Amino acid sequence: NAGVTQTPKFQVLKTGQSMTLQCAQDMNHEYMSWYRQDPGMGLRLIHYSVGAGITDQGEVPNGYNVSRSTTEDFPLRLLSAAPSQTSVYFCASSYSWDRSSTDTQYFGPGTRLTVL
Amino acid sequence: AQSVSQHNHHVILSEAASLELGCNYSYGGTVNLFWYVQYPGQHLQLLLKYFSGDPLVKGIKGFEAEFIKSKFSFNLRKPSVQWSDTAEYFCAAGTGNNRLAFGKGNQVVVIP
Repeated sequence: NAGVTQTPKFQVLKTGQSMTLQCAQDMNHEYMSWYRQDPGMGLRLIHYSVGAGITDQGEVPNGYNVSRSTTEDFPLRLLSAAPSQTSVYFCASSYSWDRSSTDTQYFGPGTRLTVL
Repeated sequence: AQSVSQHNHHVILSEAASLELGCNYSYGGTVNLFWYVQYPGQHLQLLLKYFSGDPLVKGIKGFEAEFIKSKFSFNLRKPSVQWSDTAEYFCAAGTGNNRLAFGKGNQVVVIP
């Protein structure tokens, strides 16, 4: 298994540009999520999905869109990039998502995004 | 909403010293607790987790954590650190895996 993969590893955008961060997992995990990591802020949840066709907002969803057309893929779209979106983005997945879950959440290697 | 607090964001210590990182959470119900580690340039890896049972949890690489319900704490410990333990450590809390709340992290530097 490749686990959780993310592309690209690095990206530089100009303000107003759009782009999609890719995330894929080959573990047949139901639950996938996107976090952003900023210095001194820890990780903050952007969006998450509990299965194909089902997504919901996390703590900091503004400026980001997601979709989940397949179990494997969970892309994150920046519609109009802003300097405040400069961050490291991590995708994560786990097998289940319910309240009694004891599954581990696995993280991808991250995408470092700079918006000028 | 649940929240997680980590103190002493930057910790510098020498090899063989003992390490303890504090973690406090605010959540009234049953909560699952995690410690993740992020080595320089790498992604987050799970160190250990607590769901129920023995409040003293042992993880990888000699780390352990103790869940104290009355104090809403889940502190991480290692008796003798190595240079390779230089990393950022994150405490997280949640109900199942849904909507984990992370602390701001502890940057630990171990001096050889």
